Order: sequence, then C-alpha cells, then structure tokens
Amino acid sequence: QKEVEQDPGPLSVPEGAIVSLNCTYSNSAFQYFMWYRQYSRKGPELLMYTYSSGNKEDGRFTAQVDKSSKYISLFIRDSQPSDSATYLCACTGNQFYFGTGTSLTVIP
Amino acid sequence: GAVVSQHPSWVICKSGTSVKIECRSLDFQATTMFWYRQFPKQSLMLMATSNEGSKATYEQGVEKDKFLINHASLTLSTLTVTSAHPEDSSFYICSATTGLTYGEQYFGPGTRLTVT
Repeated sequence: QKEVEQDPGPLSVPEGAIVSLNCTYSNSAFQYFMWYRQYSRKGPELLMYTYSSGNKEDGRFTAQVDKSSKYISLFIRDSQPSDSATYLCACTGNQFYFGTGTSLTVIP
Repeated sequence: GAVVSQHPSWVICKSGTSVKIECRSLDFQATTMFWYRQFPKQSLMLMATSNEGSKATYEQGVEKDKFLINHASLTLSTLTVTSAHPEDSSFYICSATTGLTYGEQYFGPGTRLTVT
C-alpha cells in the first residue's frame, strides 16, 4: 500500500465549477498536509499547507484534513482555465510523501 | 519571497558525460535542500536530502556515487549526474526549506535532462 494515494484523473470541468480533489494516506503519524500545483514542465508551487484536522481557506481554495479517516481534500471554487494543472497532495511526518497528482482541465 | 532557482532549465548531454545542476535559494537561507526526480505522468520521487555542510542522505535505491550532491552553502546545492545514461533522462527538481516549519518546501522550476 502506498503511503499516499491520489486519483490521477484526468479531471475535466467547465469554467466556474467547484472542483474537489482528494487523497488518502495510510500513516496516522503524518502531521503536515500540503497541496501543490504544477503546471506542465514547471516545478510544483505550494498552494495550501495545513497542520492537523480542519479546514483552511485561501481565496478560492479550501484545504480540508480529516485525520480520523486519513482523508485530505482540496476544493477550488469558481474554477478558472488558469487552474488547469496537475495538483499534488503531500503528507509528511519525518519524510515527505507525494501523491501521484491529479490532472485538472478547466474548460472555458 | 521564498524563491528557488535552478540552472540549467534544460540540458542535453551525451551518454557517458557528467552534468551538474545548480539549485539556489534566492531570498532565504535554506538549511535543507531536497532533490527529486519526476518521470512523465508520475509523482515526484525523493532522491536525497542535503543539509548545509554535511553529506547528503540518499533514498533507498538511489546510487550516491552516480548522483553526487554538494550543499556547500545555505543558498546553493548542486546535483551532478555522473556518467549519464539515457535512463537518467528525467525532470530533476530541487526544493528548499528554512527548516523553521518542516512542512513548507519551496520548489525550483526544474531541470529537464535528456541523455542521448
């Protein structure tokens, strides 16, 4: 079993839709949870960073962590074509573990 | 703030030669830098962790004699791919952290290596 599981997609939505991206993890010792956005042929960019369970909001982005079910989510409201990218979740305790990434396309 | 640069962004080399990739933190001091490799449509795979002034810690399966990492200062780490082979062709990405909050890593733009 992988430490972090993420559906690779691809996911295609119309502009303005709410996007839900999800990951599950197996190690209950993980403490920090991150979401990165990666455009094609670019390095990942940190989007959201949360510690422990709960929600964190930043503009159109909301990160949610449920440690009881080992489930993390990223919600994108009012999605834009510029949100088209691959989204990687990551979890860390003493080491970093990335999901495989979900490819998102927002259609104008 | 928190900008990480990599150089070169793209390199082609012949099989058997060595290639050096630089990773710099431009506006902060990075106590720890990480090197990743990413194959097409796959996730980042951590290769090694380097702390300034000490030897890098390599992940299992990564040949330390082939991928030489030097973290000479708090703003510069280098990865040298020695005796490169076509199977080393990949996207290499570095990241850096101040170490103040372990979870925050800032990534460089990546270097695409093609070995012919």
